[in-house]
Amino acid sequence: VQLVESGGRLVQPGRSLRLSCATSGFTLSDYPMHWVRQAPGKGPEWVAVMSYDGSKEFYADSVKGRFTISRDISKKMLYLQMNSLRGGDTAVYYCARGGFGLWPTNLWFHYWGQGTLVTVSS
Amino acid sequence: DIQMTQSPSTLSASVGDRVTITCRASQSIVGWLAWYQQKPGEVPKLLIYQASRLESGVPSRFSGGGSGTEFTFTISSLQSDDFATYYCQQYSSFPLTFGGGTKVEIK
Repeated sequence: VQLVESGGRLVQPGRSLRLSCATSGFTLSDYPMHWVRQAPGKGPEWVAVMSYDGSKEFYADSVKGRFTISRDISKKMLYLQMNSLRGGDTAVYYCARGGFGLWPTNLWFHYWGQGTLVTVSS
Repeated sequence: DIQMTQSPSTLSASVGDRVTITCRASQSIVGWLAWYQQKPGEVPKLLIYQASRLESGVPSRFSGGGSGTEFTFTISSLQSDDFATYYCQQYSSFPLTFGGGTKVEIK
C-alpha cells in the first residue's frame, strides 16, 4: 500500500487549494478513504472520509461547507478541495486508508501517507 | 461529539518498565477504538484496532483492552524504540476523534 499526497503550499486566507493523494497497492473502491490533518505541535485531527463505494461523505464540523472530498477511481486518486481557507487550517494533511471489514466498523486509519504541508498565511 | 480523554498526558519510564495508558470516552464506543504511535517527525502508525486487535507486524509487547467507555493500552516491557507519543481514536460515530495523546519519555 502506498499513499502519496501532493498539492500543499503557502496560500493566503480566503483562497482555495486542492490536495491530491495517489494510491497504489489496493483497490480504492474497497476501502473508506480519509483525510487527517495535524497542526504543528498538535495531535491528529480527522477531516473527512469517503465511503468505499463513494456514496457517503462525512466531515469534521471545522471544515464542513468549505472542504470537499472526492476521488477518481480510474486514476486511483483521492482529492481534498479546500475553499475559504483560514489560519486554523494550517497543518500537515495526510491521506489515510481505512481498515478492512464492513462500513462503518472499519473507520480506523490503517495506512498513512507522508503528508503534505498547507500553510495559510498572508 | 464523543470526547476522548487520555491519561496521563506525559509518562516517564525506564527501559523494561510496564507502561499503561488509559483512554476514556464520553459515551460508549463499544470496542471501536484504535491506538497509534507517533515519533517526532514521523507519520502516525497503527498499532491496535478494535480495542485489542494487534496490527500485523507490531510486537506482542503492545496490547489493548477495554470496552464501552474505558480502554487501556499497555507496553509490557518498554524498549528504547517505544519512546514516542501514543494516541487513541474512536470510530464509533462521526466526527471521528482522537485523544489528546500520551508522551512516553525516558526517565
